Amino acid sequence: EAGVAQSPRYKIIEKRQSVAFWCNPISGHATLYWYQQILGQGPKLLIQFQNNGVVDDSQLPKDRFSAERLKGVDSTLKIQPAKLEDSAVYLCASSLGSGGLYVNAKNIQYFGAGTRLSVL
Amino acid sequence: DQQVKQNSPSLSVQEGRISILNCDYTNSMFDYFLWYKKYPAEGPTFLISISSIKDKNEDGRFTVFLNKSAKHLSLHIVPSQPGDSAVYFCAASGMNYGGSQGNLIFGKGTKLSVKP
Repeated sequence: EAGVAQSPRYKIIEKRQSVAFWCNPISGHATLYWYQQILGQGPKLLIQFQNNGVVDDSQLPKDRFSAERLKGVDSTLKIQPAKLEDSAVYLCASSLGSGGLYVNAKNIQYFGAGTRLSVL
Repeated sequence: DQQVKQNSPSLSVQEGRISILNCDYTNSMFDYFLWYKKYPAEGPTFLISISSIKDKNEDGRFTVFLNKSAKHLSLHIVPSQPGDSAVYFCAASGMNYGGSQGNLIFGKGTKLSVKP
């Protein structure tokens, strides 16, 4: 079974530029998550999709970040314009189930390798 | 304010000995806890989980203990192997803590080094 695919692996941009990240979840997984992991911190959820609808985007800085999941499969996360503090690893994860209590394996989140963004 | 705390940034253990990684949480509404392992340049990988209705869950060399009254959980690895060297993240979730279903709150991680 193929895992969660993300691209690019690395991206270096200057502040005020735009950048986009792509994620292809595990086939058949209904729920997709984007996390931001700043160096020395744990991952922090930015946005959660169930199929192509947004479940939670309460921690997404909507003045500069946007995300979409067209057709309930692939997803893109965009930053426009980027700031120095956006330097981080952006992780995409997917789960078979719709989240909730982790009473079974359906709700386990599987992570991609991430995109490391450096904003100069 | 950190809701999930891993106060030890690093831990070094000899091969064959026990590794104990600790995690504390502040929100009593959390009712499910997970451990993820992360190797460099890879995404976190699910390791083991425990529901708040249990106090212990075991999977091979890995055992997670939960003390709800102390809001503390720990991951035991016995025996430790060099391949266990990685960063271990504790994460918590719950239906009614205030976040959405499936929302994981992660600690900062503990880097485990197992020396041969």
